[in-house]
Amino acid sequence: NAGVTQTPKFRVLKTGQSMTLLCAQDMNHEYMYWYRQDPGMGLRLIHYSVGEGTTAKGEVPDGYNVSRLKKQNFLLGLESAAPSQTSVYFCASSEDRNYYGYTFGSGTRLTVV
Amino acid sequence: RKEVEQDPGPFNVPEGATVAFNCTYSNSASQSFFWYRQDCRKEPKLLMSVYSSGNEDGRFTAQLNRASQYISLLIRDSKLSDSATYLCVVNLIRTSGTYKYIFGTGTRLKVLA
Repeated sequence: NAGVTQTPKFRVLKTGQSMTLLCAQDMNHEYMYWYRQDPGMGLRLIHYSVGEGTTAKGEVPDGYNVSRLKKQNFLLGLESAAPSQTSVYFCASSEDRNYYGYTFGSGTRLTVV
Repeated sequence: RKEVEQDPGPFNVPEGATVAFNCTYSNSASQSFFWYRQDCRKEPKLLMSVYSSGNEDGRFTAQLNRASQYISLLIRDSKLSDSATYLCVVNLIRTSGTYKYIFGTGTRLKVLA
């Protein structure tokens, strides 16, 4: 009954450090997404994927890269972390992009100091 | 004008009360609509889809008004456990054929004993 699993749950980075957030889903969903959530801003789409081997930019992609080498995994990378990337990051997956809702992971709280 | 707008609240209601939230959207090309629930420091969870004919799930009723471009969520017989932030989502199809899944910033509900 795992659904969408995100690791790590918490992380503190120094400015300029890099890290990778891992998202894994066991529902065989084609679509996967990375969002960030900041107070008063709502959820904003960083990158998404419509299937294995595909990625596309969302509304706030700068400073992030993604990869979807396997259908069940979607990785979000920060190459050189900045304080502006302090946020809560959520991964989600869905069966399609229109009629079905999204299943979210439990989130990663990232602080960049 | 924001693409999706919600009253941030908080709505403070006593147990057993009926409470309703609205969510307005600006793009008439919007195709599908959803309500999510988000508990403090947790991930959003799909509460229900919103159909043109309206739909009901226990104490929760969701309705869509395309003419006035809003969706609503009605909660009857409020429980303490209903305290959360309720996010509306509007999914629209762009002229390019791609989808845009837009989250509102949420309405906070507090049910008081």
